[in-house]
Amino acid sequence: EVQLLESGGGLVQPGGSLRVSCAASGFTFSSYAMTWVRQAPGKGLEWVSSITGSGGSTYYADSVKGRFTISRDNSKNTLYLQMNSLRAEDTALYYCAKDELGFFGVVIRDWGQGTLVTVSS
Amino acid sequence: DIQLTQSPSFLSASVGDRVTITCRASQGISSYLAWYQQKPGKAPKLLIYAASTLQSGVPSRFSGSGSGTEFTLTISSLQPEDFATYYCQHLNNYPWTFGQGTKVEIK
Repeated sequence: EVQLLESGGGLVQPGGSLRVSCAASGFTFSSYAMTWVRQAPGKGLEWVSSITGSGGSTYYADSVKGRFTISRDNSKNTLYLQMNSLRAEDTALYYCAKDELGFFGVVIRDWGQGTLVTVSS
Repeated sequence: DIQLTQSPSFLSASVGDRVTITCRASQGISSYLAWYQQKPGKAPKLLIYAASTLQSGVPSRFSGSGSGTEFTLTISSLQPEDFATYYCQHLNNYPWTFGQGTKVEIK
């Protein structure tokens, strides 16, 4: 059974930094691209960033480019999102998700339960 | 970047009703579209991928159609457990985007 467990969320001041993590189990982690999606309180879903299985390629939403860094440690089966220069509008529940590439393109079946990041003074 | 516009944003319906939600893409995305259901306090749940392929375990009252720029999610007979918010997402190329969501409430 695929399990994705996010951690590391919390309260941080504007301009501060935070790193959230996603511990994966139940599948061969290095074989799958991974994605971060966020959801501000009471708002819709926003794709944040994705990374290939090897970690060799990364992709970012314009809203976080240059401030956030996605990475992974395949030896630890863990995905990370380093968030710098945080703004109030980064306040959200951050989900990690597993990407499956197949004949139909990418499919996202498995999601974690999210970790809440609050940016406030 | 590709924008997705869902309509309606809010829908009030009764148990047993047929419900249709539309998702329009600002440019062609072939069939690289997914539909999710989200209930309060829960992660999104995949319903449909590749525009029309039903995810395993999802009831057959859910169906998806479309390609290119116009897509629909249909619930043939709304059940009490279907009251939720529904999102489309394109996975054609980066950056991926989601529609703004459609909240389905009980009439």
